[in-house]
Amino acid sequence: QQPVQSPQAVILREGEDAVINCSSSKALYSVHWYRQKHGEAPVFLMILLKGGEQKGHEKISASFNEKKQQSSLYLTASQLSYSGTYFCGTVPLKNQGGKLIFGQGTELSVKP
Amino acid sequence: KAGVTQTPRYLIKTRGQQVTLSCSPISGHRSVSWYQQTPGQGLQFLFEYFSETQRNKGNFPGRFSGRQFSNSRSEMNVSTLELGDSALYLCASSLSGVNQPQHFGDGTRLSIL
Repeated sequence: QQPVQSPQAVILREGEDAVINCSSSKALYSVHWYRQKHGEAPVFLMILLKGGEQKGHEKISASFNEKKQQSSLYLTASQLSYSGTYFCGTVPLKNQGGKLIFGQGTELSVKP
Repeated sequence: KAGVTQTPRYLIKTRGQQVTLSCSPISGHRSVSWYQQTPGQGLQFLFEYFSETQRNKGNFPGRFSGRQFSNSRSEMNVSTLELGDSALYLCASSLSGVNQPQHFGDGTRLSIL
């Protein structure tokens, strides 16, 4: 039931791009993306609803493939401030008002 | 606009005790969710409250309970604490539920000795 994120960890140089994937075995109504820096609370990035897409930040965008139950987070021209652990969260289609289940996280490190 | 406030920030308890954690959501937010975060298990959903009613519950034993007050503030209680309950407990608020952005508090770090 928990979505699967890949990769588990990635190291980038400033200015490089990265893609983080999130896959679910269940049909989804929405996918959330959050970033958590060490010792801090998770921060909302964006939410993608079935049938639509919503961008939350510049240079960070996401897609939602409803047929494959997959979402990808795209980070372009990465900055040092992008470092942190990225979590996707999913809400199943059959329980649209239900639980938000998070993946295990992807640790992203951006080096100078 | 004030963010989500969780108190206390740190707690140390011993096995068998009980603990109550508090969460004050962003003004106007009526949905409050609780999560347990551990290095091994990640972010695990505990429960969600809306208008003083528990709408959803995760796969945790009955020792974990919660409630929400008329002002949307929420409390979480854990009874008969076990070593495995050591974790960061996060609450998140939103306007009306899980299909909207969740705003997290800084969490309560619970350590069981």
